[in-house]
Amino acid sequence: GIQVEQSPPDLILQEGANSTLRCNFSDSVNNLQWFHQNPWGQLINLFYIPSGTKQNGRLSATTVATERYSLLYISSSQTTDSGVYFCAVERSYNQGGKLIFGQGTELSVKP
Amino acid sequence: DAMVIQNPRYQVTQFGKPVTLSCSQTLNHNVMYWYQQKSSQAPKLLFHYYDKDFNNEADTPDNFQSRRPNTSFCFLDIRSPGLGDAAMYLCATSRGRTSYNEQFFGPGTRLTVL
Repeated sequence: GIQVEQSPPDLILQEGANSTLRCNFSDSVNNLQWFHQNPWGQLINLFYIPSGTKQNGRLSATTVATERYSLLYISSSQTTDSGVYFCAVERSYNQGGKLIFGQGTELSVKP
Repeated sequence: DAMVIQNPRYQVTQFGKPVTLSCSQTLNHNVMYWYQQKSSQAPKLLFHYYDKDFNNEADTPDNFQSRRPNTSFCFLDIRSPGLGDAAMYLCATSRGRTSYNEQFFGPGTRLTVL
């Protein structure tokens, strides 16, 4: 099956710093989503981005489908950005909507 | 606001005592999913419904069952919970079954087994 690898596994930032999270996947995908899991466990949708670039406030994401990676950029980080960031992909229609998650990047933003 | 709702948010049960978790959605989506997430791990799909069509993952234990009585509601039944079933259970929905549909998650139910 498709493999999803995220890096780095852990990241500690000072408030105001910028960061880049990476997601590599081993096969072509039709769906790629970035999520933020908050300290209460809820998965918050950040981006639905199987290809191209999107921006939402301080966050942006780029997926280069031909090279099988996606990047999540966080600028001017805030303590509320802390939590685990997951990348999840779906390979094809035949997977029936099955998202395969990476192991996540745990981000801690210090005041 | 359209959303995915899970109840209860926290559930404590005893070893072997059946438990039911519920999920409802106001998005009118066709597909509903149940994921299990153990501590410090990624979510793992248990099964999903496309309308009333039930799809079980090959490695989902028989101890886990699901019901979808209508479009809005979906239930996860754990017939005989073991200590290893303690986890966060996440419900998600998507509009369709093709891989071009974004999935939206509820807040989760954290299950403790004593």
